[in-house]
Amino acid sequence: AQKVTQAQTEISVVEKEDVTLDCVYETRDTTYYLFWYKQPPSGELVFLIRRNSFDEQNEISGRYSWNFQKSTSSFNFTITASQVVDSAVYFCALSEASLAGTASKLTFGTGTRLQVTL
Amino acid sequence: DSGVTQTPKHLITATGQRVTLRCSPRSGDLSVYWYQQSLDQGLQFLIQYYNGEERAKGNILERFSAQQFPDLHSELNLSSLELGDSALYFCASSVGGGRVDTQYFGPGTRLTVL
Repeated sequence: AQKVTQAQTEISVVEKEDVTLDCVYETRDTTYYLFWYKQPPSGELVFLIRRNSFDEQNEISGRYSWNFQKSTSSFNFTITASQVVDSAVYFCALSEASLAGTASKLTFGTGTRLQVTL
Repeated sequence: DSGVTQTPKHLITATGQRVTLRCSPRSGDLSVYWYQQSLDQGLQFLIQYYNGEERAKGNILERFSAQQFPDLHSELNLSSLELGDSALYFCASSVGGGRVDTQYFGPGTRLTVL
């Protein structure tokens, strides 16, 4: 069975600090997809990034960057120079790879609550 | 705004009742997914439909059922409601239905069972 672990339940930082959110996953499949979603206080789930298992290049998007390391089964998310608007719960998710064709489901971690204060 | 719409936003009902949650996917998306988010279970996949057909099933209770209509909107029916069914129910949609497709989530329906 697939599993996603986000060991950090809650992180508090002061604005402008860098922060890294950890994600460790378990899967038996060689082809899989990893995702990060943001859930701000308003409650919706916002897609941030998708990464496939064959692409280990790190990705940067503005203040956000992602580090995918297959060797350690980790897909960590770093926010540089954090801002108050980054306060949210962040979820890492793994796409179920045992289902073929047009079948899919996401397995989510328990989330990390990030609190950024002034 | 993801383009996925869900109604109603909030729903308060009593134990034993039946409710229907509605979801309209993004334009062009064929697949719809339902997830439940609760404090004790976290975010759990319930069920997926692709172009009107059921494609994948999670730990969905027998009291819960869903369908996807020809216009691709979907409804999640919850019956014989219990206190423990109180949760945030999300609908998501994707272009295709496979693991490669990104799922975009709606704003959710918050269900409170009293």
